[in-house]
Amino acid sequence: DIQMTQSPSSLSASVGDRVTITCRASQSISSNLNWYQQKPGKAPKLLIYVASNLQSGVPSRFSGSGSGTDFSLTISRLQPDDFATYYCQQSKSAPWAFGQGTKVEIK
Amino acid sequence: EVQLVESGGGLVQPGGSLRLSCAASGFTFSRYWMTWVRQAPGKGLEWVANLHEDGNEKYYADSVQGRFTISRDNAKNSLYLQMNSLRVEDTAVYYCAQIGYSSGWYIDYWGQGTLVTVSS
Repeated sequence: DIQMTQSPSSLSASVGDRVTITCRASQSISSNLNWYQQKPGKAPKLLIYVASNLQSGVPSRFSGSGSGTDFSLTISRLQPDDFATYYCQQSKSAPWAFGQGTKVEIK
Repeated sequence: EVQLVESGGGLVQPGGSLRLSCAASGFTFSRYWMTWVRQAPGKGLEWVANLHEDGNEKYYADSVQGRFTISRDNAKNSLYLQMNSLRVEDTAVYYCAQIGYSSGWYIDYWGQGTLVTVSS
């Protein structure tokens, strides 16, 4: 089974900061990596699919990159609405797996 | 507008059973793979199961294999999760979601979730 490891598990940042979250797969998953945002009490929301494709309606300050085993999600200029928990997820093969999450908090 | 509405959650004793339902609307349900994802209180997301458009191809997490069954009724635009031999560690919010595909698979639209509590 493919394991997903995110880092950091949490971070504190200020509005306007550039933030990068990384995700590592235990084996190559090509570009089969997705990113989700979740706010407390809400369902997750798809941000980036297939490593680097911005989901419709998602602000352009979000971007994704990587392939193989190493991936990243970058928020170019953090906005108040971006404080949330972010998850990566591999869809290369079943069983699908999520990273443990990265909580982005206000500094 | 895509809508996914889960129901059937509640309190059940260890060893008991529960059937979750998910009513889909706003898209052609029979053309999409569907999935269940769960989240234990204060924890991260855990993938549970995937189901092919025609209901004949299924995948399960090891943690639920042999106890949970995913199914669908395309005539009723509904997805189901039959959960048997429930354990305390199955306590979670269960989300129904639509799977999308564009050069790779991803979880596109999500329901609001239904809470399952396994406790004596």
